[in-house]
Amino acid sequence: GDSVTQMEGPVTLSEEAFLTINCTYTATGYPSLFWYVQYPGEGLQLLLKATKADDKGSNKGFEATYRKETTSFHLEKGSVQVSDSAVYFCALGTGGGNKLTFGTGTQLKVEL
Amino acid sequence: DTGVSQDPRHKITKRGQNVTFRCDPISEHNRLYWYRQTLGQGPEFLTYFQNEAQLEKSRLLSDRFSAERPKGSFSTLEIQRTEQGDSAMYLCASSSVLAGVKDTQYFGPGTRLTVL
Repeated sequence: GDSVTQMEGPVTLSEEAFLTINCTYTATGYPSLFWYVQYPGEGLQLLLKATKADDKGSNKGFEATYRKETTSFHLEKGSVQVSDSAVYFCALGTGGGNKLTFGTGTQLKVEL
Repeated sequence: DTGVSQDPRHKITKRGQNVTFRCDPISEHNRLYWYRQTLGQGPEFLTYFQNEAQLEKSRLLSDRFSAERPKGSFSTLEIQRTEQGDSAMYLCASSSVLAGVKDTQYFGPGTRLTVL
């Protein structure tokens, strides 16, 4: 079945450090790929998405490229801020209903 | 858009009781999804509707669970004879499908259920 594997957290970085959160997937067909973010005390928010191979999703300085050959969708940001502290979920959407399959989430803590 | 809303935000119940949650999607979104999220895990798909039709149900959705979307707008999720293992955050999401193009799912704040 469909599955998403993402690196375990927590990931602790200093402000302005480079961020990579790895995400790989297994799916039949051609899924859409997503990164959602959950800030403390808030609901899930879409961060970025890519719908086909080689697409790059970007938002708020975050980027991820849909790599079909490596079945990956790694999240990157060049310079993190304290306000980026949150839990990040990688997800894929499949089927006619585009139901989402999520990874277990990676908690990011950014310190001054 | 006012966003997806869910009610109640928190529910504490005793084992064996029935509970019902409500979700109001973004207006004019024709798809509505229910997910369940337990502590330290990502959300897991339960079921989804397109308009009033329930098109897919996960095997996670036991016969104690029932979801409805009678007029194609708001949806309810009922859990009968609750068990402690039902304790989780129940998330609702909505999206729009036009001319076969699938839009992004937007999530509500969730209903946190605690079964004592």
